Amino acid sequence: DIQLTQSPSFLSASVGDRVTITCRASQGISSYLAWYQQKPGKAPKLLIYAASTLHSGVPSRFSGSGSGTEFTLTISSLQPEDFATYYCQQLNSYPPFTFGPGTKVDIK
Amino acid sequence: QVQLAQSGAEVKKPGASVKVSCKASGYIFTSYTMQWVRQAPGQRPEWMGWIHTGNGNTKYSENFQGRVTIIRDTSASTAYMELSSLRSADTAVYYCARVGMFHEGADYYYYMDVWGEGTTVTVSS
Repeated sequence: DIQLTQSPSFLSASVGDRVTITCRASQGISSYLAWYQQKPGKAPKLLIYAASTLHSGVPSRFSGSGSGTEFTLTISSLQPEDFATYYCQQLNSYPPFTFGPGTKVDIK
Repeated sequence: QVQLAQSGAEVKKPGASVKVSCKASGYIFTSYTMQWVRQAPGQRPEWMGWIHTGNGNTKYSENFQGRVTIIRDTSASTAYMELSSLRSADTAVYYCARVGMFHEGADYYYYMDVWGEGTTVTVSS
């Protein structure tokens, strides 16, 4: 199975900050990567797919980049509603479509 | 609007089975694959399997060693996930999610764009 790691696992930031989260795959997955946001007690919400394509309705402050084994999710100006946990997911080889361990973004 | 409505919370004893339903509305059910993901408390989501709702073909994660079965009822626009031989480690929230697809040339990109609200399954003696 392809393994994903994320860094950092936790970050504390302020409203207006630029935030970057990294996801690394144990082997090359081209651009077969998606990013999700999850708030406590809620289902994950799709933000980005195909590594850099913004899902419909997602604010433009979110962006994704990368290919192969290293990917990033960037929030250009953190807003109060962005405090959540973020997961990457690889959709290259299947099954299973593994998820990363998550990055929790908290209020400083 | 596009929605996935899941069945309610379940409490099961070890060794039992659970069947969770996921009713789709607002789109053509057979045009999208449906997947199932579970999330244990404080853990990352875990992909369980999916079903092509048009032809009924399935793929399962080997991590479940044959314990998971996914079926669909096209007349009811509903997918079902059954997990057998339950143990305490199966305590989790179970989600269904619609699988979207985008293609660029020969490359096909999947993503999970609509999720159900989740069904809590508790396994306890």
